Amino acid sequence: DAKTTQPTSMDCAEGRAANLPCNHSTISGNEYVYWYRQIHSQGPQYIIHGLKNNETNEMASLIITEDRKSSTLILPHATLRDTAVYYCIVRVSGGYNKLIFGAGTRLAVHP
Amino acid sequence: DAGITQSPRYKITETGRQVTLMCHQTWSHSYMFWYRQDLGHGLRLIYYSAAADITDKGEVPDGYVVSRSKTENFPLTLESATRSQTSVYFCASSVTGLAGGTGELFFGEGSRLTVL
Repeated sequence: DAKTTQPTSMDCAEGRAANLPCNHSTISGNEYVYWYRQIHSQGPQYIIHGLKNNETNEMASLIITEDRKSSTLILPHATLRDTAVYYCIVRVSGGYNKLIFGAGTRLAVHP
Repeated sequence: DAGITQSPRYKITETGRQVTLMCHQTWSHSYMFWYRQDLGHGLRLIYYSAAADITDKGEVPDGYVVSRSKTENFPLTLESATRSQTSVYFCASSVTGLAGGTGELFFGEGSRLTVL
């Protein structure tokens, strides 16, 4: 199973873009990159996912490098409500849709 | 209301007691999951289920039992609770496990279990 490496914590000023990096150097060709976040004691929330191409939705953008060994989640205009733990996950291939969560990055958005 | 609900939200029990945490979803999602979350360990997968009567172990299954007689329910039982099972438990569901699906997991609000 591919592992991910994320910084333990990051800070971002409100209104600025938050760029959260993730390394997944052992990712396989058919494994997706997923991002979830968890806001203080709540259940994790899906943000975005991608395979090869960059993706954008109403919450964020996902930039995946050409070699797929790393990716960056971008929150274009961070707000205080974006303060959370962000998890970068590589989806285990092979039939079942289980996701293995790592330690994540604790993002603090400050005024 | 539609969604995924867990009960009880809070539970205190004693070592050796049997405890069952309930999870119910109204979307008819095929896949359901149980995670536990502890400080220093993040979210760890306990068990998952691809459909009714199909379950499989995750990362940390020891001490837990699951069943899935109906698609909408996925109870987690601690047959003889231990202090190390004090944790926050999250149930989740997903539409599909196939490569073509979004793979989005929908999580419940969690059940906080304390074993004395």
